[in-house]
Amino acid sequence: EPEVTQTPSHQVTQMGQEVILRCVPISNHLYFYWYRQILGQKVEFLVSFYNNEISEKSEIFDDQFSVERPDGSNFTLKIRSTKLEDSAMYFCASTREGRVIPGYTFGSGTRLTVV
Amino acid sequence: AQTVTQSQPEMSVQEAETVTLSCTYDTSENNYYLFWYKQPPSRQMILVIRQEAYKQQNATENRFSVNFQKAAKSFSLKISDSQLGDTAMYFCAFIYDRGADGLTFGKGTHLIIQP
Repeated sequence: EPEVTQTPSHQVTQMGQEVILRCVPISNHLYFYWYRQILGQKVEFLVSFYNNEISEKSEIFDDQFSVERPDGSNFTLKIRSTKLEDSAMYFCASTREGRVIPGYTFGSGTRLTVV
Repeated sequence: AQTVTQSQPEMSVQEAETVTLSCTYDTSENNYYLFWYKQPPSRQMILVIRQEAYKQQNATENRFSVNFQKAAKSFSLKISDSQLGDTAMYFCAFIYDRGADGLTFGKGTHLIIQP
């Protein structure tokens, strides 16, 4: 079964450093998403991306965050200057259309630790 | 904005028992989807079951079934013949049937299956 692949699985970074989280969505999917889950809390929507631009973003997705699809297969989330409170699991997801059928597939996540 | 409420932070049952996890949501719209996701200790998000709001019939996937009460805005998950591998966090989630909106998640229920 097709999978959404995220790398790295765990990243440790110094506060103030830039990080790039990478995702390879399912190949025939057109909509891409990033979610965040702070430890012990619920999963929160960050941003959706379609046709090479942001479709929707939450209030969490401020100027420190950016997304990009640099080469037609990867989908990246960049945090420009990391803060301690950015420590969380970051999940990428994709769908074939802007609707949930046939499925909304999550990657296995990247655990970001900011020290 | 829609909200999703899971009122049971933690539940514990014996193996082979049946358990029901509750979820309520609030929306003023008519077309949407509801999901239950399982998050084991690996923290991957695994889709358990999905319900389209326009369908009156409750969704079923093997040992997992839902009780969808649209008027009451309730969406509970029933796990029959529970197994040790069912131990996980369970998140209820909601999404509108439009565009690229993100999923809205509840805070989760930690389900523990005791041997």
